[in-house]
Amino acid sequence: EIVLTQSPATLSLSPGASATLSCRASQSVSSYLTWYQQKPGQTPRLLIYDASNRATGIPARFSGSGSGTDFTLTISSLEPEDFAMYYCQHRRGSITFGQGTRLEIK
Amino acid sequence: EVQLVESGGGLVEPGRSLRLSCAASGFISDDYAMHWVRQAPGKGLEWVSGISWNSDTIAYADSVKGRFTISRDNAKNSLYLQMNSLRPEDTALYYCAKDIWVHGSVFWSLFDYWGQGILVTVSS
Repeated sequence: EIVLTQSPATLSLSPGASATLSCRASQSVSSYLTWYQQKPGQTPRLLIYDASNRATGIPARFSGSGSGTDFTLTISSLEPEDFAMYYCQHRRGSITFGQGTRLEIK
Repeated sequence: EVQLVESGGGLVEPGRSLRLSCAASGFISDDYAMHWVRQAPGKGLEWVSGISWNSDTIAYADSVKGRFTISRDNAKNSLYLQMNSLRPEDTALYYCAKDIWVHGSVFWSLFDYWGQGILVTVSS
């Protein structure tokens, strides 16, 4: 089973700052890496698929990069609504999620 | 508008069974693989099971294999999860989720729509 490890567990930043979230896979997932955002009491929202493709309606301040085992979600110029949990998920022959990164207001 | 509405959750004793349903609307549901994903209280997301658009391929997480059975009825636009031999660690909010790809494989899915979730509590 491919294990996804997200870091940091918690990231404290101020609105307007830039956020960098990491997801590392225990073995290569090629580019089959997805990012979701989840706010308290809400369902997960698809942000980025196949490492770097923004989903429909996702603002340009969200970007993804990486391949193989190391992936990054970058949120430039944080808006108040961006503070949430973020999960990565791989889909390379099976499906697992990372444990999540909490992005909180500093 | 795509809608996924789960039902069938509740409080159940360990060892008992429960059947979840997910009613789909707003898209041609028989073109897409469908999945169940759960989230224990205060915890992260855990993929549970997936079924291909034509029910030919089914997959389970190791944690539920042999106890849970996924199925679908395309004529009724419905997805199901039969959960047997329930354990306290199965306590979670269970989401129905739609694959983004038309006729995609359950092993290569990602999820563009999610239901609101249904709570399953396993406790004596």
